[in-house]
Amino acid sequence: DGGITQSPKYLFRKEGQNVTLSCEQNLNHDAMYWYRQDPGQGLRLIYYSQIVNDFQKGDIAEGYSVSREKKESFPLTVTSAQKNPTAFYLCASSGRLAVGGSYNEQFFGPGTRLTVL
Amino acid sequence: GENVEQHPSTLSVQEGDSAVIKCTYSDSASNYFPWYKQELGKGPQLIIDIRSNVGEKKDQRIAVTLNKTAKHFSLHITETQPEDSAVYFCAAPYEKLTFGTGTRLTIIP
Repeated sequence: DGGITQSPKYLFRKEGQNVTLSCEQNLNHDAMYWYRQDPGQGLRLIYYSQIVNDFQKGDIAEGYSVSREKKESFPLTVTSAQKNPTAFYLCASSGRLAVGGSYNEQFFGPGTRLTVL
Repeated sequence: GENVEQHPSTLSVQEGDSAVIKCTYSDSASNYFPWYKQELGKGPQLIIDIRSNVGEKKDQRIAVTLNKTAKHFSLHITETQPEDSAVYFCAAPYEKLTFGTGTRLTIIP
């Protein structure tokens, strides 16, 4: 059963704590992404990775960190430096950009809802 | 970078009627335009996409039209059903996908 899994589904954190969100895919995709979704807003890109051991900042990277040690995994750490971390976090993956810059479909995981207490 | 605007933010239609959601983009180099459907508490799912070499694409009750000159593309859902109720997002790429702010579609039985 191929797809993207995110865990946990719900996560509660106390202020000042770091927390790591898991994202795993078995689609053999090269590229992986992390998005943040707030009520009434679209998806904002936090970090993305086109290949193992390489990643780039998205539009709202401050207060977040990632690693890409394996093709299948792209964990996101929400650090205490993130001032407003309560949100719905979505992980996605896709094939690498094709020749000529043609995009491939992004597949999304089910999301993790993070609440800071 | 890319700027994507999506309208309307909310849309209510009677069951059986058609729904249309429109997006505009800013970067003329964009060449891929997907539409995603997100149900409550779930991740978005691709429902249809179009590339810049065609003007229209259909898949049963769903269609997407693209006007590259005007830099806008639209999602059309015909014969709407209650299960079409969801939030719909458009997106357009430059270096990475940029998403619209979403349209909450409600189908009234």
